[in-house]
Amino acid sequence: QVTLKESGPGILQPSQTLSLTCSFSGFSLSTSGMGVGWIRQPSGKGLEWLAHIWWDDDKRYNPALKSRLTISKDTSSNQVFLKIASVDTADTATYYCARMMDPYAMDYWGQGTSVTVSS
Amino acid sequence: DIVMTQAAFSNPVTLGTSASISCRSSKNLLHSNGITYLYWYLQRPGQSPQLLIYRVSNLASGVPNRFSGSESGTDFTLRISRVEAEDVGVYYCAQLLELPFTFGSGTKLEIK
Repeated sequence: QVTLKESGPGILQPSQTLSLTCSFSGFSLSTSGMGVGWIRQPSGKGLEWLAHIWWDDDKRYNPALKSRLTISKDTSSNQVFLKIASVDTADTATYYCARMMDPYAMDYWGQGTSVTVSS
Repeated sequence: DIVMTQAAFSNPVTLGTSASISCRSSKNLLHSNGITYLYWYLQRPGQSPQLLIYRVSNLASGVPNRFSGSESGTDFTLRISRVEAEDVGVYYCAQLLELPFTFGSGTKLEIK
């Protein structure tokens, strides 16, 4: 059974660094072809893909945010991390992580973690 | 970036009848490997998105065969036969052909 769960700070101030963790079970990032991605959704709005990381540590970022994003993984603990530097109010959103596996792409999603950027 | 265009709302449908949701991409999503990287997701109210269809017309695990997907060039259609109350939500198309992956703005299924 594949499950993913996101965790984050809930609220942070502008200019701080947002640190998110995706803890998963039911699959391994040591398996060829497996990956985990991050997607966010401002309240009442659509979905925006942010980044993903593959089993071989290949990392891809949304160019619009690339300078602020850092994705990493800890295969042994089944976790993927995303850091977003210099946040502002536009980064307020629910952040989801999702398993990525060809050909299903983002086939399992976590419940999401809400992040508010406010002074 | 590839732009995915969707209407905000579907035509209102009655439960038990069929519905169609459309999506248009700004670029052909056919890869040189012969695969078209178009996906459909459903986000029910208060829930996370769930994968419905991958690569245009393949049903994800556990998705009822009332759902089907098709394509015509850069136009894609999700069809729901015999709409049920549990189908209510926002339907997103997404392209995974090239980075950045992009989603449509979502179509809310309207029930009469």
